[in-house]
Amino acid sequence: SYVLTQPPSLSLAPGETATITCGHDKIESRSVQWYQQRPGQAPVPVIYYDSDRPSGTPERFSGSNSGNTATLTISRVEAGDEADYYCQVWDYSRHHVFFGEGTKLTVL
Amino acid sequence: QVRLVGSGGGVVQPGRSLRLSCLASGFTFSSYGMHWVRQAPGKGLEWVAFISENPNKKHYADSVQGRFAISRDNSRNTLYLQMNSLGAEDTAMFFCVKDSSRMEPNFFDSWAQGTLVTVSS
Repeated sequence: SYVLTQPPSLSLAPGETATITCGHDKIESRSVQWYQQRPGQAPVPVIYYDSDRPSGTPERFSGSNSGNTATLTISRVEAGDEADYYCQVWDYSRHHVFFGEGTKLTVL
Repeated sequence: QVRLVGSGGGVVQPGRSLRLSCLASGFTFSSYGMHWVRQAPGKGLEWVAFISENPNKKHYADSVQGRFAISRDNSRNTLYLQMNSLGAEDTAMFFCVKDSSRMEPNFFDSWAQGTLVTVSS
């Protein structure tokens, strides 16, 4: 099966930098998107095409994709960033969309 | 702005069928691909199905292939998901999602709030 590997959880103090990874063989050949899901809410996109930000996403959010790992970086984390984060790719050879396992970000 | 409102969820017995609907507004519905994504209680996101702007292309997750059918009525700005042979593993919140492109999945730029499906006897 197609698994996008993410760390299950991450705990940081306000002001620290969150680095959330999404791993898969040669993921750099895919376009990676990232979604934020706060408790009880629908997901919202925060990064698309590896590193672009939708309007409304703070500049503190950035993305990169190289080799076997895509990365979502959140600088100067705030209490409002506490959420689950999912990476996502479209595998055109299999005509399937895949989500990562999700990372729960806790701001202490 | 984009608005997606899902409906049709509820409690259904194992083996029965259910049809979800999603009414779209605030954008030209007939110009974008659409998805269904689900989330089992306490679990992560699982993509279910995609349909292109004209309904020529449809893609399904392996877990629902042959049981679920995605469709759309562009004249009514409505997306559907027909779910047959439901099992307990299909219990989930189902999200209707707009894609940013027309013909193939790209990125999921707008999400509905979700409609809950519970499969239980």
